[in-house]
This record gives sequence, structure tokens and C-alpha cells, in this order.
Amino acid sequence: SAVISQKPSRDICQRGTSLTIQCQVDSQVTMMFWYRQQPGQSLTLIATANQGSEATYESGFVIDKFPISRPNLTFSTLTVSNMSPEDSSIYLCSVPGNNYEQYFGPGTRLTVT
Amino acid sequence: DAKTTQPTSMDCAEGRAANLPCNHSTISGNEYVYWYRQIHSQGPQYIIHGLKNNETNEMASLIITEDRKSSTLILPHATLRDTAVYYCIVRVRGDSSASKIIFGSGTRLSIRP
Repeated sequence: SAVISQKPSRDICQRGTSLTIQCQVDSQVTMMFWYRQQPGQSLTLIATANQGSEATYESGFVIDKFPISRPNLTFSTLTVSNMSPEDSSIYLCSVPGNNYEQYFGPGTRLTVT
Repeated sequence: DAKTTQPTSMDCAEGRAANLPCNHSTISGNEYVYWYRQIHSQGPQYIIHGLKNNETNEMASLIITEDRKSSTLILPHATLRDTAVYYCIVRVRGDSSASKIIFGSGTRLSIRP
């Protein structure tokens, strides 16, 4: 299994600002995924980040709002731009395992005031 | 990916077996059943997966019916630490697009002392 860390673990931000969340994996992986979990809800996939190509966004999510970087095979960042209170969520990254299972980071709890 | 149906919530006494059902009546022949759980304030955790045979690991057992239209996750001796939301997911393996997971609402399992 992969070991994944995220920074920051939590943050409180003012509306209109941006926050960049980091995801670090202990092994090289081609694909990384970013999810959002709004309060009391299940996880929703934001985008798939492949190293060396543009991220693929799911319906309802756009690059201007959630730009993603994938500079190498062990690291990715997700930026939440021009934040509003509706962006208050837990943001999680994940990577696939050898049997197409997925391993998740601990999440970043974001509160926008 | 095939749709799954799970009870919204269940409870189980500590020390007893917790049996969590999942209905996936539209599953196709090349789709696997995966189970994850999410303990409060943590990222989801992979538990087990299977195709048609019953599977067991150190965390749980997975029983898949012969027609593959339903399955049951069994936690043999539930503890308070097993209190979590459990997600049953059906998905194809074998190509890059299959790596992403679409989460449903899951079953909220409460273990009572």
C-alpha cells in the first residue's frame, strides 16, 4: 500500500483568497486523484492528474477554479481559487494500487469564512 | 460502472459479527466489487475486493452471491473502532479510466458497546 501525506491538514481562509494543498506519495505513481467531501456528504471526484499531461476534470469542476500541478511522479498540488464559503470541505488525494484499489491521504479540512 | 444500493445505516453490538449488505444487480461480468470505509475525520481506507469467489483478509471477509448480484462484507468481531461509513463500489479493472472511483452514499455502521 502507498503512504500519502497532505499539507496543510487544515486551514481557515477568507473568502476571495486561494489555498494550495500538497499531496506527497512515498512511491512513484502515474495517476493521482483529487476528491472533495462537503460536510455530511460522500466523496466527489474533482480531477485526475497524470504526470506530464493536463489534468482531466469531472463535470462541474473547472481548471480556473481548481488548478492542479503534477510536477513529478510522487507529488501533486490542488489550488482552490477565489474561495467562497461553499468551498468549505475536506479535500483528499488518492493513488491507485496494484489491484486498482485506491489509497487515500488523510485529507485537508478547509473552512472559508 | 454498475450502480450499488446499500442501507443508509446499521448498528451492531461490539464483539459480534457485522454483516453489511450491498446490492449490485446490474453488475457485468468484468466488474469487481470493492469495499472501503471512512472513519470520521480520516481518508477512506481500502478493505477488500473480489470478482466472484469469496475473499478474506486480515480486516474482513467478502461474500459474493453466485449470481453476483449482491455481496456482504463481514467484520467478524466488530469493535468500537469499526464505527465508520462503509462504501461498496463496483468497477471494471484493467484500463486507466477504471482507476477513478465514484462513491455512493455508503452505510453508516455504528458499533454499540
